[in-house]
Amino acid sequence: GQNIDQPTEMTATEGAIVQINCTYQTSGFNGLFWYQQHAGEAPTFLSYNVLDGLEEKGRFSSFLSRSKGYSYLLLKELQMKDSASYLCAVMDSNYQLIWGAGTKLIIKP
Amino acid sequence: GAVVSQHPSWVICKSGTSVKIECRSLDFQATTMFWYRQFPKQSLMLMATSNEGSKATYEQGVEKDKFLINHASLTLSTLTVTSAHPEDSSFYICSARDLTVDYEQYFGPGTRLTVT
Repeated sequence: GQNIDQPTEMTATEGAIVQINCTYQTSGFNGLFWYQQHAGEAPTFLSYNVLDGLEEKGRFSSFLSRSKGYSYLLLKELQMKDSASYLCAVMDSNYQLIWGAGTKLIIKP
Repeated sequence: GAVVSQHPSWVICKSGTSVKIECRSLDFQATTMFWYRQFPKQSLMLMATSNEGSKATYEQGVEKDKFLINHASLTLSTLTVTSAHPEDSSFYICSARDLTVDYEQYFGPGTRLTVT
């Protein structure tokens, strides 16, 4: 079966760095997405990785290792507004997104 | 960037009535649209995938006669919840993509449905 695993909840301090991990097992791979979702709102796109390596975009970076079925989202200089759920999703061989359950990130002052 | 709108943003209806939710891609043509539902503190659950001009493909466990999906044009898809019951109360989110451009899905803002 297809499976995406990510931690349920993480807590970090304002100004610090946090890494959210995601491991996956899917039928085929056409890229991995990270989305941010604030409570009561729809997800917003953060990043897309299809090749191995690190993609940096401002305070957020995303890493992918296809051989290990592993990705992480790195958030630097955390701000209170970064408190949200972070969803990992993998596009399978049918170009369908398989979603993880999301990681709730709590930022403390 | 690509924008997807949903209407209404929230709706309250009585049990037994039907509710229609619209999803529009405002500045691109959506070859595919997706409908999700999300219960509190849970992740997105894909309900169905629809391609313009063809019947929607429903995920296992989703009743196609209860959740009617119409994707009549490249910019509009509708989800009708028929004979709604309180257990249908949820956050419904649509997303759209244009496969001729890229694989990214663009999400609408969601519709909060409450059935009383």
